[in-house]
Amino acid sequence: AQSVAQPEDQVNVAEGNPLTVKCTYSVSGNPYLFWYVQYPNRGLQFLLKYITGDNLVKGSYGFEAEFNKSQTSFHLKKPSALVSDSALYFCAVRAHNAGNNRKLIWGLGTSLAVNP
Amino acid sequence: EAQVTQNPRYLITVTGKKLTVTCSQNMNHEYMSWYRQDPGLGLRQIYYSMNVEVTDKGDVPEGYKVSRKEKRNFPLILESPSPNQTSLYFCASSGRLATDTQYFGPGTRLTVL
Repeated sequence: AQSVAQPEDQVNVAEGNPLTVKCTYSVSGNPYLFWYVQYPNRGLQFLLKYITGDNLVKGSYGFEAEFNKSQTSFHLKKPSALVSDSALYFCAVRAHNAGNNRKLIWGLGTSLAVNP
Repeated sequence: EAQVTQNPRYLITVTGKKLTVTCSQNMNHEYMSWYRQDPGLGLRQIYYSMNVEVTDKGDVPEGYKVSRKEKRNFPLILESPSPNQTSLYFCASSGRLATDTQYFGPGTRLTVL
């Protein structure tokens, strides 16, 4: 079965320190991987995606993610965290074998708290 | 501005009273989808549509209906809402390719009493 795991419910980091939000996946075939962020009372905002090519993907707001095929991971990173990065982060993978359905399979989310 | 809009943003209703949540996108996207988000269960797909007049069930379609009469609109209909449909609902749209990014609306928080 295809799945996404975000092993940490919550990540706490001090402002200015690097942050990592972890994601592992299980999917048949080549994975199409996505990160989204959800701020309170707002929708899901796209951060970045990996389709193919360079394993390090750069996205919005200074975020990047590293695709590791052997470890089936797609961890989200940022060199220097800001208080305004505090939010709920979701990793998702595009379902394969879903015909025309462009469904995303989602992790349960990781709450990031950046402390001043 | 390219966006997906949903209305209403917040809705409190009673069991059995039919309601519609509207979704509209201005990006000329072929693909549209509805998800619900519940604590501990994450986001689950309700219905999707690949184009006008083409809709299909997602993972949790029971109790919901959709229609796609125009490319930009994809309303979600609850004909007889029940308390277990209390949830946060998101509409999304994307181009037709599997590699295209899905863009989400701001969400509709529905409470069914």
